[in-house]
Amino acid sequence: DGGITQSPKYLFRKEGQNVTLSCEQNLNHDAMYWYRQDPGQGLRLIYYSQIVNDFQKGDIAEGYSVSREKKESFPLTVTSAQKNPTAFYLCASSPTENSPLHFGNGTRLTVT
Amino acid sequence: AQSVTQLGSHVSVSEGALVLLRCNYSSSVPPYLFWYVQYPNQGLQLLLKYTSAATLVKGINGFEAEFKKSETSFHLTKPSAHMSDAAEYFCAVSDNFGNEKLTFGTGTRLTIIP
Repeated sequence: DGGITQSPKYLFRKEGQNVTLSCEQNLNHDAMYWYRQDPGQGLRLIYYSQIVNDFQKGDIAEGYSVSREKKESFPLTVTSAQKNPTAFYLCASSPTENSPLHFGNGTRLTVT
Repeated sequence: AQSVTQLGSHVSVSEGALVLLRCNYSSSVPPYLFWYVQYPNQGLQLLLKYTSAATLVKGINGFEAEFKKSETSFHLTKPSAHMSDAAEYFCAVSDNFGNEKLTFGTGTRLTIIP
């Protein structure tokens, strides 16, 4: 079955450490996205990529970095510069930038 | 710039009763509107979308929403609630059809009372 796989489901890190969240899709979608979800808030866009080897900052990119070396992979690194990294992170993809989003099941990151 | 407001962060309805989740939007241009559903510890799933065709949009799982320009609303309804409808629902708006412009509401958690 095609879909988006995010791993791991739960991730724990100490403050000051960088951590990379994995996102893989086998839907052959061109566009991929990273969102952050906090309790009582809507989803906020961190980064997006419409094509391999290209990506753009979203609304809250500070403290995060991404890469898009392969069409199916869009990993997100949460750096030590991110002041409040504890959150639920959702990866999504779409066939084009104008198609509805398909979401992975998320990674819950806890930084202490 | 667009924005979306979901009235009521928590809504409880009895099984078999009408479900009504409210969404009001602000947009300087004709909007594209979406409803997504999120089950616990999962990603979001598209319920339905409005893209300037019919004002009454039917989605999956028996849900529908009506676009009312005069009220700037896009409320989600279902005639008869089922226990499996318990989830969080997000309304989203975009002023074009690009996902990078999508603005999500803060969500409404729906509880179904047996």
